[in-house]
Amino acid sequence: AQSVSQHNHHVILSEAASLELGCNYSYGGTVNLFWYVQYPGQHLQLLLKYFSGDPLVKGIKGFEAEFIKSKFSFNLRKPSVQWSDTAEYFCAVNARAAGNKLTFGGGTRVLVKP
Amino acid sequence: NAGVTQTPKFQVLKTGQSMTLQCAQDMNHEYMSWYRQDPGMGLRLIHYSVGAGITDQGEVPNGYNVSRSTTEDFPLRLLSAAPSQTSVYFCASSTGLAGGNTDTQYFGPGTRLTVL
Repeated sequence: AQSVSQHNHHVILSEAASLELGCNYSYGGTVNLFWYVQYPGQHLQLLLKYFSGDPLVKGIKGFEAEFIKSKFSFNLRKPSVQWSDTAEYFCAVNARAAGNKLTFGGGTRVLVKP
Repeated sequence: NAGVTQTPKFQVLKTGQSMTLQCAQDMNHEYMSWYRQDPGMGLRLIHYSVGAGITDQGEVPNGYNVSRSTTEDFPLRLLSAAPSQTSVYFCASSTGLAGGNTDTQYFGPGTRLTVL
């Protein structure tokens, strides 16, 4: 079975700082990778996803993530955060052999101070 | 399209009570699933369905039942609520592409359940 780990539980930043959230998964087969965001009081929304092709994926709101297969990683980045990026971020993995089932990491709470 | 809808938004139960969390989607998605969200544990899959009449267990199925009589609806039943089931519950759906590939899952707004 696959598992997902997110290295940081909480991150506090100032506006305009750069953000990088780590995500590692354990699964030897082909995977699809996702980052979801949950703004306070809201449901999960897709930030970006990787299925195949260019390992550098660009998503909404200036976020990007890089899939490094050799490191089993899919880290999320944003060069300059805004107060509105305050949210909880979840990395998720779908093993292609497992159909549609997603396995989520524990989440990282990001607080951006104005 | 309304997307994925869930009712109720909030619910308080006493231990031993039963209830059904409702989930509906109007996107004609074949795949639907239920997750629970607990602090520090991300979302964990409870049950899922790949189409009407077909359901299967996820990672944490104990204490929950599901059925899928139509493509649109996927209710989650708690037969005898326990405090350990206090959580936020999310329903999700996706197209469920053939060949084992997945499409993006769309999440509902969640139901916050407290069991006393």
